[in-house]
Amino acid sequence: AQSVTQLDSQVPVFEEAPVELRCNYSSSVSVYLFWYVQYPNQGLQLLLKYLSGSTLVKGINGFEAEFNKSQTSFHLRKPSVHISDTAEYFCAVLSGGYQKVTFGTGTKLQVIP
Amino acid sequence: GAGVSQSPSNKVTEKGKDVELRCDPISGHTALYWYRQRLGQGLEFLIYFQGNSAPDKSGLPSDRFSAERTGESVSTLTIQRTQQEDSAVYLCASSFGRAGDEQFFGPGTRLTVL
Repeated sequence: AQSVTQLDSQVPVFEEAPVELRCNYSSSVSVYLFWYVQYPNQGLQLLLKYLSGSTLVKGINGFEAEFNKSQTSFHLRKPSVHISDTAEYFCAVLSGGYQKVTFGTGTKLQVIP
Repeated sequence: GAGVSQSPSNKVTEKGKDVELRCDPISGHTALYWYRQRLGQGLEFLIYFQGNSAPDKSGLPSDRFSAERTGESVSTLTIQRTQQEDSAVYLCASSFGRAGDEQFFGPGTRLTVL
């Protein structure tokens, strides 16, 4: 079975500080991993994804994530956050043999001015 | 081109009534997904259509929920005899259906059951 765990439901951080949003997945086979972002009153949009190759993936708005197979993690990072990064972030996984993506429960990032 | 559209954007109904939610996917997208997002909670998978294959209905919470899709076009999600716990935002997404493809989400339909 495939599953995703986002342990932090809310993460407050001061503007210009670094942030890491944690994501751990469970799968016994190869995986594709995604981060989606949902800005207030907007739909979800893709932030970045890992399919294969380099384990460090860069996305939009200065975000990046690192695929760590041994730790089954795909944490999202940004070195300096902006007020406009306030949003909810969803990690998602697609395992080999599965047809549908499984989403985590989301992490609300609140950037404090 | 146009993105995924959903209608209505908001729906208020009385307990026990039936509701029908519509999703227009991006043209050419063979895969279509329905999710439910309750207030303060994550995305809950409901149903997945891929081309002409039998849909994956494993996420439908009860037999009051059903969905249809004609070919690779519009999909409708029907909730019969609505209950207050059905209140949520219902999201539709579509993709080209290949593993690893990005899902494009619609703006959602906010359903309120009184």
